[in-house]
Amino acid sequence: DVKVTQSSRYLVKRTGEKVFLECVQDMDHENMFWYRQDPGLGLRLIYFSYDVKMKEKGDIPEGYSVSREKKERFSLILESASTNQTSMYLCASSLTGGGLLFYEQYFGPGTRLTVT
Amino acid sequence: GNSVTQMEGPVTLSEEAFLTINCTYTATGYPSLFWYVQYPGEGLQLLLKATKADDKGSNKGFEATYRKETTSFHLEKGSVQVSDSAVYFCATGNQFYFGTGTSLTVIP
Repeated sequence: DVKVTQSSRYLVKRTGEKVFLECVQDMDHENMFWYRQDPGLGLRLIYFSYDVKMKEKGDIPEGYSVSREKKERFSLILESASTNQTSMYLCASSLTGGGLLFYEQYFGPGTRLTVT
Repeated sequence: GNSVTQMEGPVTLSEEAFLTINCTYTATGYPSLFWYVQYPGEGLQLLLKATKADDKGSNKGFEATYRKETTSFHLEKGSVQVSDSAVYFCATGNQFYFGTGTSLTVIP
């Protein structure tokens, strides 16, 4: 079974802190994704990566950056955390079908981040 | 661009009731369509999928048919159980587009 793990289930940080969220997948998937999930807004894509060291902005990249130094690991970085970044963060991975075709995504359990 | 409109919840049903959750999409081309389920405290997991028009995806008693003419992918189940209580998400296109989710509660 595909497994996607996230470094923390719950995290509490202070405003202005630098925050790292880590995601690891064990199925050699090319693509990895970071979403945030907020009530009434569903999932919104922050960034995705289709290869090592490659990244593309999603719908809401402001205030975030990402790093993919190894194929299995995709990190989300909040350079200076703010209270409006309090949310559930979901990581996912998938194979690629070529071009803009993607197969189904496999999700991690999520990290609930609270910024105070 | 792609987008997904999903029936708003929350939905509360009695056990063994019939379930429909509506999903319509706009997309360029003919994208694959997906339903994901999120149980309390967990991440999303794929429930079913359809890759072309008229395909029917099915799993755990749930079904959805890819309707190109109505651009819809409605989720149905004939007899829901308490264990089906979860949030359901429709997704489409290159999978960057998810619906806002429909919360389902099934009461005994």
